[in-house]
Amino acid sequence: GESVGLHLPTLSVQEGDNSIINCAYSNSASDYFIWYKQESGKGPQFIIDIRSNMDKRQGQRVTVLLNKTVKHLSLQIAATQPGDSAVYFCAENILLGGQNFVFGPGTRLSVLP
Amino acid sequence: ETGVTQTPRHLVMGMTNKKSLKCEQHLGHNAMYWYKQSAKKPLELMFVYNFKEQTENNSVPSRFSPECPNSSHLFLHLHTLQPEDSALYLCASSQGRIVEDTEAFFGQGTRLTVV
Repeated sequence: GESVGLHLPTLSVQEGDNSIINCAYSNSASDYFIWYKQESGKGPQFIIDIRSNMDKRQGQRVTVLLNKTVKHLSLQIAATQPGDSAVYFCAENILLGGQNFVFGPGTRLSVLP
Repeated sequence: ETGVTQTPRHLVMGMTNKKSLKCEQHLGHNAMYWYKQSAKKPLELMFVYNFKEQTENNSVPSRFSPECPNSSHLFLHLHTLQPEDSALYLCASSQGRIVEDTEAFFGQGTRLTVV
């Protein structure tokens, strides 16, 4: 797990509880957002995405909420499991205008037994 | 596996050495990226290649030299690095800017230690 920052925000949740991870994005012109999960010793892996014409999107056990007014993104994980322990990053992009994903600093999620 | 393979997984090099990192993607993507992930900063974009052409150099020092011989391969040539360059170097690929799904797929990274 040394691939992430020493001063990452950390969220600790009990196994079985729901987790909510928050992200403030920087560019009001961004119209495409992704949540990535990075486990120790691995590269970031795609979890779920959302476009700016939506304010909510659901996947398997995960939900992403987008509030464009305050430039805020959240990731909700239902019934958190030990395998969910990782660092979670949000990334923003502008479709058809640029392809350079800008990543947030990340949040470390620790699932307690 | 994400379809993006990086080698080596770990590399230790002296400040006078020259080494190269390799990335290969089997996804048919047109865009490839180098990112740096260090202990003190979030993911930092270094270089972007789109259809083998470098489209972005994010103020990266010249001791890092990228090469993209074709759409499937990306290299990062390293020379006279500094200890502060020690980090996880991540390669990613995506379809590119035109199409709908522009999710970036990442490799496992190369853990670089400069001694």
